[in-house]
Amino acid sequence: AQSVTQLDSQVPVFEEAPVELRCNYSSSVSVYLFWYVQYPNQGLQLLLKYLSGSTLVKGINGFEAEFNKSQTSFHLRKPSVHISDTAEYFCAVSARPGNQFYFGTGTSLTVIP
Amino acid sequence: ETGVTQTPRHLVMGMTNKKSLKCEQHLGHNAMYWYKQSAKKPLELMFVYNFKEQTENNSVPSRFSPECPNSSHLFLHLHTLQPEDSALYLCASSQENSHSTDTQYFGPGTRLTVL
Repeated sequence: AQSVTQLDSQVPVFEEAPVELRCNYSSSVSVYLFWYVQYPNQGLQLLLKYLSGSTLVKGINGFEAEFNKSQTSFHLRKPSVHISDTAEYFCAVSARPGNQFYFGTGTSLTVIP
Repeated sequence: ETGVTQTPRHLVMGMTNKKSLKCEQHLGHNAMYWYKQSAKKPLELMFVYNFKEQTENNSVPSRFSPECPNSSHLFLHLHTLQPEDSALYLCASSQENSHSTDTQYFGPGTRLTVL
């Protein structure tokens, strides 16, 4: 079985500062990894995903994440955050067989002016 | 706009009511999902439909009843719910095949309040 741990439930950061949101997973098989963002009163929107290939994945809105197999991590980073990045961020893992996604509990990012 | 729509966006119902949530995807996908999102808890997968056939039912109480009449529409029928069923219910869709998994695209959700 797969599981996802998001180590920080809340992350406050000042505008234009860098941010890292941490995600660790456990799985006995190869996995696919995803980051989603949820703005208030909206559904989840895909930020980026890792399926194979380069371990550094670039997504929308200037976010990127790096897959580290030895540390079973998939941390999300952005070099300079904006007020509009304030949202809930979810890490998810999926593995074959089956098409179930396993989500973390989310990290609430608050960007302070 | 993700190509997945959900109605209604907000729903308040009593414990004796019967209501239905609707989801429609315009992406040509062959798999659809219902999730429950409660505060401070991971998203809980409730039901999965592949090619209109239910393939997952993660120990969901029978007061929740899914229906998938075609690959574009998914319903969640609700009856005799409990206050602890109050949550955001999210629908998602994806294109699945035996060799790969693909991104799940989510609707905006239905905020359900059970009184």
